[in-house]
Amino acid sequence: DVKVTQSSRYLVKRTGEKVFLECVQDMDHENMFWYRQDPGLGLRLIYFSYDVKMKEKGDIPEGYSVSREKKERFSLILESASTNQTSMYLCASSPVGGTANTEAFFGQGTRLTVV
Amino acid sequence: AQSVAQPEDQVNVAEGNPLTVKCTYSVSGNPYLFWYVQYPNRGLQFLLKYITGDNLVKGSYGFEAEFNKSQTSFHLKKPSALVSDSALYFCAVPDTGRRALTFGSGTRLQVQP
Repeated sequence: DVKVTQSSRYLVKRTGEKVFLECVQDMDHENMFWYRQDPGLGLRLIYFSYDVKMKEKGDIPEGYSVSREKKERFSLILESASTNQTSMYLCASSPVGGTANTEAFFGQGTRLTVV
Repeated sequence: AQSVAQPEDQVNVAEGNPLTVKCTYSVSGNPYLFWYVQYPNRGLQFLLKYITGDNLVKGSYGFEAEFNKSQTSFHLKKPSALVSDSALYFCAVPDTGRRALTFGSGTRLQVQP
């Protein structure tokens, strides 16, 4: 059974903290993604990666960075957490060729609250 | 740019009745279209996809979707709703330039017993 695992289901962090959200997939997928989910806005793409050590900005990269040192792991970093980054964060992966005709696989999500 | 729109924030239906969750798309070329479902406090699960061929696509959990090119729609349907179908449903289209999916705003389906 394919799996995308996010390290935490729930996190509470303080304003100004550096926050790491970890994601691991066991499907040997090339592509990995971080989305942010907010009510009424759907999912918005933060960053994505096609390969190890490669990253590209999505639609809302401000305040975030990512790291992909190994193929199976894609980390999202909040450099200095702010309350407007309180949200649900979803990691996803897909095989080479992307989502043109194959589905993406999602982790269970991390609900982050910044206080 | 590729995009999808879900015009309804919420759909309410009685158990046993047919359900429809609406999605319209705007794409260049031949569309590839997806439906995902999100149960409470869970990640997204793939339901079905349209690539080419039959306009009626069958997916998981008894769901199906009807592709209509003239109306640029891809509505999700089920003949008989279950209370357990209550969830958040997302329509999506590939952003092929970035190999990512672009999602609609989501529709919450509430099935009343």
